[in-house]
Amino acid sequence: QVQLQESGPGLVKPSETLSLICSVSGFSIRDGFFWGWVRQAPGKGLEWIGSINHSGDAYYSSSLKSRVTLSVDTPNNQISLRVKSVTATDTATYYCGRGAVATIDYWGQGILVNVSS
Amino acid sequence: QSALTQPRSVSGSPGQSVTISCTGTSRDIGNYNYVSWYQQHPGKPPKVVIHDVTKRPSGVPDRFSGSKSGNTAFLTISGLEADDEADYYCCSYAGRDVHVVFGGGTRLAVL
Repeated sequence: QVQLQESGPGLVKPSETLSLICSVSGFSIRDGFFWGWVRQAPGKGLEWIGSINHSGDAYYSSSLKSRVTLSVDTPNNQISLRVKSVTATDTATYYCGRGAVATIDYWGQGILVNVSS
Repeated sequence: QSALTQPRSVSGSPGQSVTISCTGTSRDIGNYNYVSWYQQHPGKPPKVVIHDVTKRPSGVPDRFSGSKSGNTAFLTISGLEADDEADYYCCSYAGRDVHVVFGGGTRLAVL
């Protein structure tokens, strides 16, 4: 059974960097698929952030590309997300997931990150 | 403003059918057969119910079906059940520059 778990700080100060980790179990990242992040601001819809494969090929939302970095840690079976220079508009629940083209078949439970001083 | 346009809400009675539309452009839905639909209950992560326009993952009831015509994709839920009440989001591949876009979501009420 594929399982994903997001972890990281629930509170980040404005202008700082948000860093999250997605730990994957039940499936080796090396074995394929893309691994991505989607976020959801409180009471709002889903927003795709980006995806990365085991080789480190990463694709980013055009609106977030300048501030987002994805990376993959295959020995630890984890992917990570960094969003720099955050503002209150980055407050959201962040989900990681396993997927293919425009499909996510397994999702983590999500982690709420508040951006506030 | 989301890249894909969905109605904000739809409703139906138990046993009835509802169809949710998702309108994009020739740069996304109209050009690729990579449309997925997600069901999201409050406080839960989304769950894929349709991928690649018409394909249903194992475990998803055959009451859920997907289709596409031109730049618009559709999710049809037949034989509505109380547990179908949720938010539904469409998603499409949009090419090498934009990659992935979501719709704004549709709230389904089962009256």
